[in-house]
Amino acid sequence: ETVMTQSPDSLSVSPGERATLSCRASQSVSSLLAWYRQKPGQAPRLLIYGASTRATGVPARFSGSGSGAEFTLTISGLQSEDFGVYYCQQYNNWPLTFGGGTKVEIK
Amino acid sequence: QLQLQESGPRLVKPSETLSLTCSVSGDSLRNHQYFWGWIRQPPGRGLQWIASIYYSGTTYYDSSLRSRASISMDTSKNQFSLKLNSVSAADSAMYFCARASYNLGSAFWFDPWGQGTLITVSS
Repeated sequence: ETVMTQSPDSLSVSPGERATLSCRASQSVSSLLAWYRQKPGQAPRLLIYGASTRATGVPARFSGSGSGAEFTLTISGLQSEDFGVYYCQQYNNWPLTFGGGTKVEIK
Repeated sequence: QLQLQESGPRLVKPSETLSLTCSVSGDSLRNHQYFWGWIRQPPGRGLQWIASIYYSGTTYYDSSLRSRASISMDTSKNQFSLKLNSVSAADSAMYFCARASYNLGSAFWFDPWGQGTLITVSS
């Protein structure tokens, strides 16, 4: 199976600053990668699919990049509501797999 | 607005069968643009995809759960279901249902998700 590794495990960012989250696949997943955010007690919410396409209603401060095995989610101008755990998911290879998550805290 | 709602017994005994239903409103399970799926999350841990189904009956399973899991659909009720047999404490988790989008040649990403239901396996 394709193992997805996210880094860092957690980061603390001040409002207005940039947060950069990484996701690495154990084999190429082409551009078939999604990003989700999960807040405590809630279901994950889709942010990005196709590595770089924002889902409906997702603010422009969220941007995704990468292809192959290395991906990045950037949150530019972090806002207080952006806290939560961010997960990547590949959908190029079976079985579908998720990364272990990066916890974003607001400093 | 599309909504998904999980339902089913919250407590299941070891070795028995976990049964969950996802009720969908705001879209039809017959919508050819989408699959439908189940994902779980053990307490304090990450996400694991379980299975997905298309209205035609096509199904996909995580290989580690394939022998115990069964996903099905009742289009007349606009519901789809998951059965997981021979459960153990390791199957205790939050179970989410979700709509699964795909492109030609790709598998799925999930949007939106139901709120989830916490299942505990215990005697």
